[in-house]
Amino acid sequence: EVQLVESGGGLVQPGGSLRLSCAASGFTFSSYWMSWVRQAPGKGLEWVANIKEDGSERYYVDSVKGRFAISRDNAKNSLNLQMNSLRGEDTAVYYCARDSTFGFYDNSGYSTFGDHWGQGALVTVSS
Amino acid sequence: DIVMTQSPDSLAVSLGERATINCKSSQSVYYISNSKNYLAWYQQKPGQPPKLLIYWASTRESGVPDRFSGSGSGTDFTLTISSLQAEDVAVYYCQQYYSTPRTFGQGTKVEIK
Repeated sequence: EVQLVESGGGLVQPGGSLRLSCAASGFTFSSYWMSWVRQAPGKGLEWVANIKEDGSERYYVDSVKGRFAISRDNAKNSLNLQMNSLRGEDTAVYYCARDSTFGFYDNSGYSTFGDHWGQGALVTVSS
Repeated sequence: DIVMTQSPDSLAVSLGERATINCKSSQSVYYISNSKNYLAWYQQKPGQPPKLLIYWASTRESGVPDRFSGSGSGTDFTLTISSLQAEDVAVYYCQQYYSTPRTFGQGTKVEIK
């Protein structure tokens, strides 16, 4: 059974940093692209970033470019999101998602859908 | 970025009746070379993560009841719940994966009348 478990959420002041992690199990982690998707309180879903199977390619939504960094450790079956220069609008539940192997790959990135999702980690940016 | 617009924002349907949710993309998500529409649907119940229901606009994910069906092509898509059950109360999202960034509709809340 595929399992994704996020950790590292919490309260942080504007301008601060936080690192999220996602522990994956139940599948061959190194064979899948992985994504982070967020959901502000009472709002819809927003894709944040994804990373290629071997970590050699990473793509971000414009609103987090230069502030967030996605990474992975295939030896530990772990996905990470380093979030710096946090803003109030970054307040959200952050979901780790396994990217499907069905997608569209071009020079802008790999676009697909999430076929398995974690329960999410709440990040609150407030003073 | 491709903008996804769902309608209605919410709907109330009697148990056993049909529920229909529409999704419109700002540009076509149909890829001619493989004849596929890059459109997925999710269900999100309160306090839970999204659950994949449908991809390629009409392919049901394994384990999804057959009362859920997807249709449409190009820019206009529909999710239909043929006979609403109590456990179907949720918010439903469409999502395009034709281009990066993948983008979602704003969601449609389905309730029992």
